[in-house]
Amino acid sequence: NAGVTQTPKFQVLKTGQSMTLQCAQDMNHNSMYWYRQDPGMGLRLIYYSASEGTTDKGEVPNGYNVSRLNKREFSLRLESAAPSQTSVYFCAIARLAGQNNEQFFGPGTRLTVL
Amino acid sequence: KQEVTQIPAALSVPEGENLVLNCSFTDSAIYNLQWFRQDPGKGLTSLLLIQSSQREQTSGRLNASLDKSSGRSTLYIAASQPGDSATYLCATETSGSRLTFGEGTQLTVNP
Repeated sequence: NAGVTQTPKFQVLKTGQSMTLQCAQDMNHNSMYWYRQDPGMGLRLIYYSASEGTTDKGEVPNGYNVSRLNKREFSLRLESAAPSQTSVYFCAIARLAGQNNEQFFGPGTRLTVL
Repeated sequence: KQEVTQIPAALSVPEGENLVLNCSFTDSAIYNLQWFRQDPGKGLTSLLLIQSSQREQTSGRLNASLDKSSGRSTLYIAASQPGDSATYLCATETSGSRLTFGEGTQLTVNP
């Protein structure tokens, strides 16, 4: 039971390149989230999916797109990477959004944009 | 907009000491408050979740309290150990399934 897995673990991109961060869960939870963590800024919500087939913007959605492929998988895409997107990206899951459920986090993807 | 503040930003204590980490928030309309632990280079591990109707939660040597009216939560760690060294984050969940995080308290427990 891996919980929440993220791929890749590390990535270096050049400005303007695109990439997709993958998140998968085996806990059968309904809600999935993407956060970024930056020094001095804490964790900030990028996008979330309360259930399969729905997605909503979080605090910092600009420059990102998401796809809730199925109940297990939630991907985050950077279409044209910028140095400001250098960060650590975390995927998280919860059984039901807004229902006092714990969020479980993946190990993170460390992204550097040159 | 919810703002979450954690004080102190860093704390160093000798092994065995009892300690308190503080978390304050500006919007009391929360569903819950969660405390997480983050080890260097790792993801977040959930420690305790306090629902908005609850006053405290306990897990082993950890006790978290919540006072919604004053916008405060504390995490009490009893008999600290070097293995407790990590960054501790609190987060509130508000409408729209949004978690708002504090910047964390970096705890070092010295042997």
